[in-house]
Amino acid sequence: DTEVTQTPKHLVMGMTNKKSLKCEQHMGHRAMYWYKQKAKKPPELMFVYSYEKLSINESVPSRFSPECPNSSLLNLHLHALQPEDSALYLCASSQAPDGDTQYFGPGTRLTVL
Amino acid sequence: GQQLNQSPQSMFIQEGEDVSMNCTSSSIFNTWLWYKQDPGEGPVLLIALYKAGELTSNGRLTAQFGITRKDSFLNISASIPSDVGIYFCAGMIYNQGGKLIFGQGTELSVKP
Repeated sequence: DTEVTQTPKHLVMGMTNKKSLKCEQHMGHRAMYWYKQKAKKPPELMFVYSYEKLSINESVPSRFSPECPNSSLLNLHLHALQPEDSALYLCASSQAPDGDTQYFGPGTRLTVL
Repeated sequence: GQQLNQSPQSMFIQEGEDVSMNCTSSSIFNTWLWYKQDPGEGPVLLIALYKAGELTSNGRLTAQFGITRKDSFLNISASIPSDVGIYFCAGMIYNQGGKLIFGQGTELSVKP
């Protein structure tokens, strides 16, 4: 089983809203990732959590706030987003953070009005 | 920084034809991954390669980890309409916290 689940599938929010994206895996993976992807472009890394600790932040604006409540869950809290933040947000996980295959979830399509 | 050059950018082929795409870099990678992505969905892992020279098959798909560690190719034999999508290569270098370097993608269209 290599399943990563993400909710919601679609999200529309205004620029003053606060919302959260959720990601879950039950493969015992100890590394989890958030990516942002624009249409027909490759995914861009945002954050890496390694053993439930934030290990990489790719200079992401503070309006995106990640959280890892436990080894199976990853959240991305959104606040005061801009229309240009509209994208497909992907979660991924891997057994370990270095050198292991990353498995992606189906993504959350975010639209910021 | 590390970059992957993926080619071709797009392909329009007839059903039944074979397809080949590749990724090259000036950097040495320890892991090569090939993903397929359908519109609005997440990338799905096709093949993972971990050793230089490794040749791995997954059904009609075959991928190789270049002997120089700087390139990889993916072949699809006897293409079918459901092969349509965007194919991404991704490379990883150890001790970089799990960062994947992605190619720009190859968009495949298959005409029945």
